Amino acid sequence: DQQVKQNSPSLSVQEGRISILNCDYTNSMFDYFLWYKKYPAEGPTFLISISSIKDKNEDGRFTVFLNKSAKHLSLHIVPSQPGDSAVYFCAASGGGGTSYGKLTFGQGTILTVHP
Amino acid sequence: NAGVTQTPKFRVLKTGQSMTLLCAQDMNHEYMYWYRQDPGMGLRLIHYSVGEGTTAKGEVPDGYNVSRLKKQNFLLGLESAAPSQTSVYFCASSYFEGPGQNTEAFFGQGTRLTVV
Repeated sequence: DQQVKQNSPSLSVQEGRISILNCDYTNSMFDYFLWYKKYPAEGPTFLISISSIKDKNEDGRFTVFLNKSAKHLSLHIVPSQPGDSAVYFCAASGGGGTSYGKLTFGQGTILTVHP
Repeated sequence: NAGVTQTPKFRVLKTGQSMTLLCAQDMNHEYMYWYRQDPGMGLRLIHYSVGEGTTAKGEVPDGYNVSRLKKQNFLLGLESAAPSQTSVYFCASSYFEGPGQNTEAFFGQGTRLTVV
């Protein structure tokens, strides 16, 4: 049962344009959402997050949007840069009990930004 | 400040052999996790711990055991390795501020394990 889903395995965009990565979840108990970035041969690194009480969080070129009614979140990167090329994972935490701090990840989306 | 350190970084095992992966964190985090990453499957949680002396099963716990005897260390054991356990393993740790609060996890560099 995949509780966090990233349905697009890959995304290709031109430098300077907007990249939009999408994520859907099924567990309504999730109360915190995160995006991670991963380069080859490295561990994932934290990018940006959002609490379930908000619908938007912005940090420089990165903005995360949360639509709780649709159980959907998205990551916008504007403008996209070649250095943004990486695998992006969305993650969710919550669920009650000892699941509060546990992170559940999606399958990842490979972003390629062309110069 | 080393963050999260995993050892070893690479290992090749024969089917049936056993091994232990070590994870150490120096951030005084309560939560620690072991994930495996496989192509098209994302990061899947194997086991996790919410504090010293506690462990819990994740999504894919079969064939693995864990121990958290010290707060800073989280060990992942494979008792009898199988080719299906060929994967990249990531350890992570996080603090927990409360429901709906920041649960940012910090990851190690990964261990690439091949079982032949």
